[in-house]
Amino acid sequence: DTEVTQTPKHLVMGMTNKKSLKCEQHMGHRAMYWYKQKAKKPPELMFVYSYEKLSINESVPSRFSPECPNSSLLNLHLHALQPEDSALYLCASSQDSGTSTSGIQYFGAGTRLSVL
Amino acid sequence: GQQVMQIPQYQHVQEGEDFTTYCNSSTTLSNIQWYKQRPGGHPVFLIQLVKSGEVKKQKRLTFQFGEAKKNSSLHITATQTTDVGTYFCAKGGSGGYQKVTFGTGTKLQVIP
Repeated sequence: DTEVTQTPKHLVMGMTNKKSLKCEQHMGHRAMYWYKQKAKKPPELMFVYSYEKLSINESVPSRFSPECPNSSLLNLHLHALQPEDSALYLCASSQDSGTSTSGIQYFGAGTRLSVL
Repeated sequence: GQQVMQIPQYQHVQEGEDFTTYCNSSTTLSNIQWYKQRPGGHPVFLIQLVKSGEVKKQKRLTFQFGEAKKNSSLHITATQTTDVGTYFCAKGGSGGYQKVTFGTGTKLQVIP
């Protein structure tokens, strides 16, 4: 069972809507990630937060806005999305300890997003 | 970006047959991770390999890291229907948070 919880599980939104995806973990991990996964493709990294600071932005369009309110929570705010943004959005967390296991990713079940 | 290629892209096997997927990188890897994603599910971590030539086993699964740390393989002995899913290798960085890049994946179908 995953210890990373994502809500909602499914989301349908119009191109003018504003919505947010939420992610929570209680494993004490200090690194949190957002990935986008299209059908039959591998997860693609979008953002990495380390100790609540944005560390990596993989040139993601500004219509996606991440937020890390505290070490357990990660949000992804969505605004003016396009139909091609429809995908499975996965949150993950990992230790940020500099040890050999610090990069192991623990994924949530994802939010399946449809943009109409 | 630097892609990690996996072959084959798809594999159908009869239940009880063996299965192998290969992961290749053009650059030397700090470590390689393997994940399994069931249909409709999310990636689940299987194992991490760090040392050159490392071999690790988990029941019917055998993972290898190449001597040059540029390739890796996952071998499943006597597949079962529960093995169905997509297997991804992923290259990580070193230390702290990591920029993990997933391989292209191999989708395994097991025919009962």
